[in-house]
Amino acid sequence: EAGVAQSPRYKIIEKRQSVAFWCNPISGHATLYWYQQILGQGPKLLIQFQNNGVVDDSQLPKDRFSAERLKGVDSTLKIQPAKLEDSAVYLCASSLTVNNEKLFFGSGTQLSVL
Amino acid sequence: QQQVKQSPQSLIVQKGGISIINCAYENTAFDYFPWYQQFPGKGPALLIAIRPDVSEKKEGRFTISFNKSAKQFSLHIMDSQPGDSATYFCAASKRGAQKLVFGQGTRLTINP
Repeated sequence: EAGVAQSPRYKIIEKRQSVAFWCNPISGHATLYWYQQILGQGPKLLIQFQNNGVVDDSQLPKDRFSAERLKGVDSTLKIQPAKLEDSAVYLCASSLTVNNEKLFFGSGTQLSVL
Repeated sequence: QQQVKQSPQSLIVQKGGISIINCAYENTAFDYFPWYQQFPGKGPALLIAIRPDVSEKKEGRFTISFNKSAKQFSLHIMDSQPGDSATYFCAASKRGAQKLVFGQGTRLTINP
């Protein structure tokens, strides 16, 4: 079974630039999550999708972050403009359904904002 | 607000020893408590999980102990091996909501 795919693996940008991350969940998984993991901390949920609808985006800084999941499969997370404090690993995860608690994580995109 | 507090931040154990990582939570609405294992450059992977209706769950060398009255739970790794060296995260969520709240993580090193 293929895992959660994310790209790119690494990204270095300067502050105020924009950046986008891509995620392809496990086939058949209806629920998709984006987590932010700052160095030395546990992952923090940014947004949760059920198919192509948003379930929870309460911790997403909506003035600069946006995410979409068109057609209920792939998802993109965008930051515009980036700040220094956005330097982190951005993890995508998926689960079979919204009631299935086992999350499968991708390897993440490591973002460095200079 | 830190809802799940994890300790210690780092832990060194000799091969064959017992590794113990502790977590405490605040929200009594939490009813699902997983532990995730993360290797460098990889995403977290579910290791073992427990619900508050049992006090202990064992899977191979990994055991979760749960104390509902104290709002604490812990991970025990028996016969620790160098391959167990990783960062471990406890987490918690409410029933019907997959919004996992993670602890700060424990970096475990098993010396050969």
